[in-house]
Amino acid sequence: QVQLQQSGAELAKPGSSVKISCKASGYTFTSYYISWIKQTTGQGLEYIGYINTGSGGTNYNEKFKGKATLTVDKSSSTAFMQLSSLTPDDSAVYYCARDGGYSHWFAYWGQGTLVTVSS
Amino acid sequence: DVVLTQTPPTLSATIGQSVSISCRSSQSLLHSNGNTYLNWLLQRPGQPPQLLIYLVSRLESGVPNRFSGSGSGTDFTLKISGVEAEDLGVYYCVQSTHAPPWTFGGGTKLELK
Repeated sequence: QVQLQQSGAELAKPGSSVKISCKASGYTFTSYYISWIKQTTGQGLEYIGYINTGSGGTNYNEKFKGKATLTVDKSSSTAFMQLSSLTPDDSAVYYCARDGGYSHWFAYWGQGTLVTVSS
Repeated sequence: DVVLTQTPPTLSATIGQSVSISCRSSQSLLHSNGNTYLNWLLQRPGQPPQLLIYLVSRLESGVPNRFSGSGSGTDFTLKISGVEAEDLGVYYCVQSTHAPPWTFGGGTKLELK
């Protein structure tokens, strides 16, 4: 079955970067896009961007341009999101999600990665 | 960007009660191809969201038929006919018609009365 396994919680200092991973299994990795979503108590769910796992092409929400960088390693069926110049506002749970076709966007979700930014 | 407004933000229900959640869009979600890409997600406590309903009214595989979705254009409703304990959590609507970016409603928390 489709599984998306995310890396563990991160504690980072302001101004630093973190790189979260999302390892896919149970399907052909390059056949589906991987999206990233931010969840905070105050802002709810926010779309960050997606990556075409086959071509490496990306789309970013304007709000996250310069903040998030999406990459993939096809050899390990893993998608990555790097968050840079961290501030306390970046503290959140970050999810990766896979589509199931355009009508089923966000059909499968990783378990989430908690990022805490604190000095 | 499309703004989705969900009401109410919190819903208190007893087991067996029927409830409805509204999702209103700032723009029509009817796509030029004739589909309306409005989905509903449920996030149970401590879990990631899961897809419940897609294309307004179609139940995802494995979702109980006490869930139903309806609506068109800018107004959509999720109904639960007989709440069960496992239904508690936060419900989100999400649109794909005018994506990217995908946008989510603010969520409706369903809790026990």
